[in-house]
Amino acid sequence: SQTIHQWPATLVQPVGSPLSLECTVEGTSNPNLYWYRQAAGRGLQLLFYSVGIGQISSEVPQNLSASRPQDRQFILSSKKLLLSDSGFYLCAWSVGLNEKLFFGSGTQLSVL
Amino acid sequence: DQQVKQNSPSLSVQEGRISILNCDYTNSMFDYFLWYKKYPAEGPTFLISISSIKDKNEDGRFTVFLNKSAKHLSLHIVPSQPGDSAVYFCGVTGSARQLTFGSGTQLTVLP
Repeated sequence: SQTIHQWPATLVQPVGSPLSLECTVEGTSNPNLYWYRQAAGRGLQLLFYSVGIGQISSEVPQNLSASRPQDRQFILSSKKLLLSDSGFYLCAWSVGLNEKLFFGSGTQLSVL
Repeated sequence: DQQVKQNSPSLSVQEGRISILNCDYTNSMFDYFLWYKKYPAEGPTFLISISSIKDKNEDGRFTVFLNKSAKHLSLHIVPSQPGDSAVYFCGVTGSARQLTFGSGTQLTVLP
């Protein structure tokens, strides 16, 4: 069966510090991978998605970036965090672009 | 440009009664519709879906209705239980586009 791992579960970082969140998927090959963010009181905002190694599509301009160094690994990064980057970050995978998503357990990021 | 709207940020329902959560979308090209349930500090979990060739899909206490002409989607939970208290997101997709979510509705089922 397929599983998705996301870590860390919580993270507190000072403004201006770097960020690296990692997500891995097991039990499937060539998944579509996604990073979503849920800001306080808001819905699920798609940040990045990837249909293959090294292929990243950005949905929202910001100071975040994503990379997919391996088929089942998706990384969300920032060189310098802003206060507005605080939120609940979710990694997800799917078989196709317009199919059901399976989410990880999320990372609560607080930028202070 | 909000393609998916959940106009009710919150809903309170008495245990045993029906909960109705609504979702409106703008693009008639969307052809696959999903509902997710999310507890605090957890990832959303898939609840139920419907494709545009149907107008109703039922799974136990959960039923999703699709009105294509009105571009409206609803989720009915009958009977509602306290464990159903969560944020519910509707998601829409189609034409090889990625899933787009509404802003969510916080459902509270009162015992």
